[in-house]
Amino acid sequence: EAQVTQNPRYLITVTGKKLTVTCSQNMNHEYMSWYRQDPGLGLRQIYYSMNVEVTDKGDVPEGYKVSRKEKRNFPLILESPSPNQTSLYFCASSTGVDTQYFGPGTRLTVL
Amino acid sequence: KQEVTQIPAALSVPEGENLVLNCSFTDSAIYNLQWFRQDPGKGLTSLLLIQSSQREQTSGRLNASLDKSSGRSTLYIAASQPGDSATYLCAVDYSSASKIIFGSGTRLSIRP
Repeated sequence: EAQVTQNPRYLITVTGKKLTVTCSQNMNHEYMSWYRQDPGLGLRQIYYSMNVEVTDKGDVPEGYKVSRKEKRNFPLILESPSPNQTSLYFCASSTGVDTQYFGPGTRLTVL
Repeated sequence: KQEVTQIPAALSVPEGENLVLNCSFTDSAIYNLQWFRQDPGKGLTSLLLIQSSQREQTSGRLNASLDKSSGRSTLYIAASQPGDSATYLCAVDYSSASKIIFGSGTRLSIRP
């Protein structure tokens, strides 16, 4: 089954404790993206990747890092999380010319 | 600045009605436009994708149109059902999956 998986689905952490949210897709897609969704602000792109070792900033990259060492994986790293990074995070993948497929989301709370 | 707007933010209609959801965008140099459905607490499900060269796409009771010159897209839902209740999001792709901007969505409620 074609899918995008994210882990963990729910996470509560404290300020400053480094964390990684994993994202994996099984469709051999070149493009992958991370978004955050906040009430009243909609979905905003954090980072995107056009292929292995090729990443670039989206609209709200501050406080986040990404890496793309393998085509199927695109982890999101928060080196020092802060409360304003409490949000619902989505990973997505696509061929670049077709439908975007979204993961189920990761609800992050930073205390 | 590239912006995507969806009006209204919320809509409630009785079951069986035909309805139209609106999406407007400020920059008409788009690559494609996609409509998504999001159920509460869930991820996004793609409904329809319209390439910049297309005028409309249809899937079952759904029809999406695109007018680049006026910066508008509409999602038409025929014979609405309670199961159509969800938030509908419009996403404009400006650079082949590299620059995608979402509208804030329209929360649709279909009354039985």
